[in-house]
Amino acid sequence: SQQGEEDPQALSIQEGENATMNCSYKTSINNLQWYRQNSGRGLVHLILIRSNEREKHSGRLRVTLDTSKKSSSLLITASRAADTASYFCATDDEGNNRLAFGKGNQVVVIP
Amino acid sequence: NAGVTQTPKFQVLKTGQSMTLQCAQDMNHEYMSWYRQDPGMGLRLIHYSVGAGITDQGEVPNGYNVSRSTTEDFPLRLLSAAPSQTSVYFCASSLGLAGTSTDTQYFGPGTRLTVL
Repeated sequence: SQQGEEDPQALSIQEGENATMNCSYKTSINNLQWYRQNSGRGLVHLILIRSNEREKHSGRLRVTLDTSKKSSSLLITASRAADTASYFCATDDEGNNRLAFGKGNQVVVIP
Repeated sequence: NAGVTQTPKFQVLKTGQSMTLQCAQDMNHEYMSWYRQDPGMGLRLIHYSVGAGITDQGEVPNGYNVSRSTTEDFPLRLLSAAPSQTSVYFCASSLGLAGTSTDTQYFGPGTRLTVL
């Protein structure tokens, strides 16, 4: 089965800076989603981008999708200490009733 | 709405013991799934269900059983616990199937399981 892979794995930035993380996948998809996980908690959905979309915004989040390269990026602008979390991408596998999650990016925002 | 609830939050088992992890959702979601999360491995799908009475295997199903007798509940049974099953287990639900516009997953808070 396919699996999203985030890159880089860990990121440490100062508050106010932007954080960018990437995700690649292997097969055709319908949607790609990004989730956040705070330490010791369940995952929380952030944003969904469809395969026919190239860019999507939600507040301080900007997601891009390049289906020709099978990759996506998540940009968090003007980061805050509360953005400290792990971020996961998830993709469906066309024709398969499953979501595949990547290994996650750990982001630490230093106040 | 309570969303997705999981019990227990923590559990310690001895090798060979059996137990059931409970999961319930009150959003009338058809699609439910169980994941395990291990350090450096991301989330791996154990079993999933596309509706009451229908279940299927995910990526790592061995050693686990599931059933879906109602829309609300999706328990995960460990038949004979092994140390390799030490992990954090998450239940999730969504309105629609993966790949549809309504496949946003709602996660429970997780169960941290240790098998000695």
